[in-house]
Amino acid sequence: GAGVSQSPSNKVTEKGKDVELRCDPISGHTALYWYRQSLGQGLEFLIYFQGNSAPDKSGLPSDRFSAERTGGSVSTLTIQRTQQEDSAVYLCASSLTNSPLHFGNGTRLTVT
Amino acid sequence: AQSVTQLDSQVPVFEEAPVELRCNYSSSVSVYLFWYVQYPNQGLQLLLKYLSGSTLVKGINGFEAEFNKSQTSFHLRKPSVHISDTAEYFCAVSEVGNNDMRFGAGTRLTVKP
Repeated sequence: GAGVSQSPSNKVTEKGKDVELRCDPISGHTALYWYRQSLGQGLEFLIYFQGNSAPDKSGLPSDRFSAERTGGSVSTLTIQRTQQEDSAVYLCASSLTNSPLHFGNGTRLTVT
Repeated sequence: AQSVTQLDSQVPVFEEAPVELRCNYSSSVSVYLFWYVQYPNQGLQLLLKYLSGSTLVKGINGFEAEFNKSQTSFHLRKPSVHISDTAEYFCAVSEVGNNDMRFGAGTRLTVKP
């Protein structure tokens, strides 16, 4: 079946613009995660959705970052007033409860 | 919340040599442990996982890891590496009953001929 799908695969934006990154998880997966991968920085946790529970937003680096998950499926990560330090690969993953994560191919964001 | 420390950011080894990538975790409750691998220009994929049972876990491509509760470790090993094992390896932990998954900073394994 289909895996985790992320769009766009690449995004170049000017400093100060807003961007939206989309994630389509695997159907039926209750958990959805956003991570950020910067060169040499590993995987930085951003936010985690589990079913209908309130999301764990503890990893969001600033109030410019927000995410939502509509209908327990598709998720959108929004970055407002982008800065150059926001440049990274943004990874989405989904899973069943206490099961391994399935990752998308990521969105490479470049802020110029 | 749980956390993961990968003690080595880079590990260079020669082909056919053994390798150990170290991982320590911190949690106040029982955990599940995972190793993921990211080959160059590819997405992350699961290498192996520990959920319960035997503390020695075997994964794909000849890798194995041992869960040591007293030392809060989950080191990854392979007795003889290949050039194709060159990749970034990530250790991850989630707490039992909580799906929240946290990753270490990664270890870049470079296998040289």
